Amino acid sequence: QVQLRESGPGLVKPSETLSLNCTVSGDSFSRYTWSWIRQPPGKGLEWIGFVSDVGKAQYHSSLKGRVTISRDTAKSQFYLTVNSVTAADTAVYYCARDRSTFDYWGQGILVTVSS
Amino acid sequence: DIQMTQSPSTLSASVGDSVTITCRASQSINSWVAWYQQKPGKAPKLLIYTATRLESGVPPRFTGSGSGTDFTLTIKNLQPDDFATYYCQQYASFSPLTFGGGTTVDIK
Repeated sequence: QVQLRESGPGLVKPSETLSLNCTVSGDSFSRYTWSWIRQPPGKGLEWIGFVSDVGKAQYHSSLKGRVTISRDTAKSQFYLTVNSVTAADTAVYYCARDRSTFDYWGQGILVTVSS
Repeated sequence: DIQMTQSPSTLSASVGDSVTITCRASQSINSWVAWYQQKPGKAPKLLIYTATRLESGVPPRFTGSGSGTDFTLTIKNLQPDDFATYYCQQYASFSPLTFGGGTTVDIK
């Protein structure tokens, strides 16, 4: 059974950098593409970007320039950083296995941007 | 970006009812649409992919249809566990992958 778990700070100050990890277990990490998706409180889902099975990253155009997604295959982990955060980046952040559809998800982590 | 427009935004129904949720794409996406169910405080769950294919373990009372720009998710014989928010997602274009705004099915 594939399991994903997000980890990282739940509070980030405005203008600083949001950094999250996703640890994957129960699967062959390097065979798949892995995505980050976020959901502002009370709102819908927004895909942020992915890191592919060959290590290539692609990002949502609205976040390009502020977002980096990377991976460490030896640790079965992938990562999200978002620079220069504002209150609009406050959301539950999910990591998910990306087969173009998202069949396995983490439980989500709430990240609040506030001073 | 391909926009996905869901309707209605909220739907009230009773146990045993049949409900239909609609998703319209801003351009043709063939059958590259998926549907998810999300309950409060939980991650979304994949129900249907490629417009009509049921994900393993999902009850057959969930059915998907459509192609091109217009898609529907139908839930027959609504069960208490089905009261949730439902999202469509297109994957015809990765630039970017996009979701609909969601439809909340609540108890009448």
